[in-house]
Amino acid sequence: DIQMTQSPSSLSASIGDRVTITCRASQSISNHLNWYQQKLGKAPKLLIYAASSLQSGVPSRFSGSGSGTDFTLTISSLQPEDFATYYCQESHNVPRMFGQGSKVEIK
Amino acid sequence: EVQLVESGGGLVQPGGSLRLSCAVSGFSFSGHYMDWVRQAPGKGLEWVGRSGNKDNSYITEYAASVKGRFTISREDSENSLYLQMYSLKTEDTAVYYCARSYGSGRSNDYWGQGTLVTVSS
Repeated sequence: DIQMTQSPSSLSASIGDRVTITCRASQSISNHLNWYQQKLGKAPKLLIYAASSLQSGVPSRFSGSGSGTDFTLTISSLQPEDFATYYCQESHNVPRMFGQGSKVEIK
Repeated sequence: EVQLVESGGGLVQPGGSLRLSCAVSGFSFSGHYMDWVRQAPGKGLEWVGRSGNKDNSYITEYAASVKGRFTISREDSENSLYLQMYSLKTEDTAVYYCARSYGSGRSNDYWGQGTLVTVSS
């Protein structure tokens, strides 16, 4: 199985901050990488697919980059509704492995 | 409007069985792969398994942690996906989500609200 490692596991940030979360795969996964946002008690929401494609309806302050083994999710200007946990997921193989999550909290 | 609604969760004893359902609407169910994903209390997301569609003869695939104990099936005529769980363990306690696969099955663009399964004596 492919192992997905996210960092940081948690971070504190202020409104308007630029936030970056990284995800590393244990082997090359091309661009087969998704990012999801999950708020407490809610289902995950797809933000980014194929490493850098913005899902319809997702604000443009979210962006993704990377290929191979190293990937990044960036929030250009953090908004109040962005405080949540973010997960990367590889879609290169089965089983589809998730990272452990990165919780974004209010500073 | 795309909707996925899970049902069938509840309290079950270790070693017991449970069948979850996912009723979908608002899209052509038969054309999509469908996944089950779970989340133990306070933990991260874990992919459970998937059902292929008619084009790949409804191939099913499973995580190692549930293989041989869980079975995924679907009834396209009823727009429904199922997760039959046998030999349940306390570590199967989780919220179970069904999710639509999109983009050659490489991402999940719509999710249900989840149903809680508690395995406890």
